[in-house]
Amino acid sequence: AQSVTQLGSHVSVSEGALVLLRCNYSSSVPPYLFWYVQYPNQGLQLLLKYTSAATLVKGINGFEAEFKKSETSFHLTKPSAHMSDAAEYFCAVSAGTSYDKVIFGPGTSLSVIP
Amino acid sequence: EAQVTQNPRYLITVTGKKLTVTCSQNMNHEYMSWYRQDPGLGLRQIYYSMNVEVTDKGDVPEGYKVSRKEKRNFPLILESPSPNQTSLYFCASSTSSGSFYEQYFGPGTRLTVT
Repeated sequence: AQSVTQLGSHVSVSEGALVLLRCNYSSSVPPYLFWYVQYPNQGLQLLLKYTSAATLVKGINGFEAEFKKSETSFHLTKPSAHMSDAAEYFCAVSAGTSYDKVIFGPGTSLSVIP
Repeated sequence: EAQVTQNPRYLITVTGKKLTVTCSQNMNHEYMSWYRQDPGLGLRQIYYSMNVEVTDKGDVPEGYKVSRKEKRNFPLILESPSPNQTSLYFCASSTSSGSFYEQYFGPGTRLTVT
């Protein structure tokens, strides 16, 4: 079975500062890992995903995440925060098989301070 | 434009009055799913469908019904809504399985049951 924890339900950063959103997973098999973003009053959209290829995954809008098996982590980073990055971010995990479910974390709300 | 549409976007209803939330996708996706989003809990899967006439329960199916008579449509039915079903609902679709393919989300339906 898979599970996801996201440390910090709310994170605030200053504009131009580093963004770091934490995600730790539990999986009995090699996981597929996703980061989705939800802008206000919108549905979720995929930022990036890890599927056992390169451990450093680059996504849209300058975000990237690094898969660290030894730490069971998949933290999301962006070097310089923009006001437009303010949103809810969800980490998700699956086993990657056809009939497997995607398990979402509780989400982290990111605020960007001017 | 590739998209997932949901209707209505907002709905206020009373306990026990049957309602249907429609979901439609124009990407010829086989996989469709319904989630509910509650604060601090992230997204939890209600039902999913691997193809026409193939549906299965997710993590929180109690009080909900679905059907998949056409590939593009996946309505969510609440036959006797209760206040604990007040939530934000998302429909999503994917090429084969959301387990390893990107899921495309609708804009959400905010339901209030009084």
